[in-house]
Amino acid sequence: GAVVSQHPSRVICKSGTSVKIECRSLDFQATTMFWYRQFPKQSLMLMATSNEGSKATYEQGVEKDKFLINHASLTLSTLTVTSAHPEDSSFYICSARWGASGNTIYFGEGSWLTVV
Amino acid sequence: DAKTTQPTSMDCAEGRAANLPCNHSTISGNEYVYWYRQIHSQGPQYIIHGLKNNETNEMASLIITEDRKSSTLILPHATLRDTAVYYCIVASSNDYKLSFGAGTTVTVRA
Repeated sequence: GAVVSQHPSRVICKSGTSVKIECRSLDFQATTMFWYRQFPKQSLMLMATSNEGSKATYEQGVEKDKFLINHASLTLSTLTVTSAHPEDSSFYICSARWGASGNTIYFGEGSWLTVV
Repeated sequence: DAKTTQPTSMDCAEGRAANLPCNHSTISGNEYVYWYRQIHSQGPQYIIHGLKNNETNEMASLIITEDRKSSTLILPHATLRDTAVYYCIVASSNDYKLSFGAGTTVTVRA
């Protein structure tokens, strides 16, 4: 199947700093990418929808100024957690929709963020 | 506002077929049925999806009832590596947003 890659897979950052997570579709173009967060023993929660070349659409309750999403190309979306706090520690996962007219959606391996 | 209902857990015997049910009685005409699975600490793995016809690929088969109100994912020969949480999700072709519920925890036993 298609591959979606995230980087880094694990990151530790200090409270108050910002951290960027990359999501790449390796063998297909993705006009739409999605960002999720998953806390331990919970299900995935959709944070935002990222469309190439336009502003991301955030789900209710997700702070757009804290979680900056950029989808500058058809193969790359980034999530920047700004002014990170320990409660932002979580598993962040992206997904990408195959092509502009496709309906298959693939997920990345996820990125563990620990804020100390 | 869960759109799907799945059993909380299931046990399956290794080598046997595993049939995972899913109810989606309020599904709309433009909503697809997607199945993913997640093994601990990994991103969800795509299994299969369909609109109204039954689908089969190298991993599984998806059987959707004629009224589209329920579906069954079939793993033809379960192995220990199929132990995971399986998610049945309906998503609109308007936005393809996948909303994850609690899923079914499937344990394959030797």
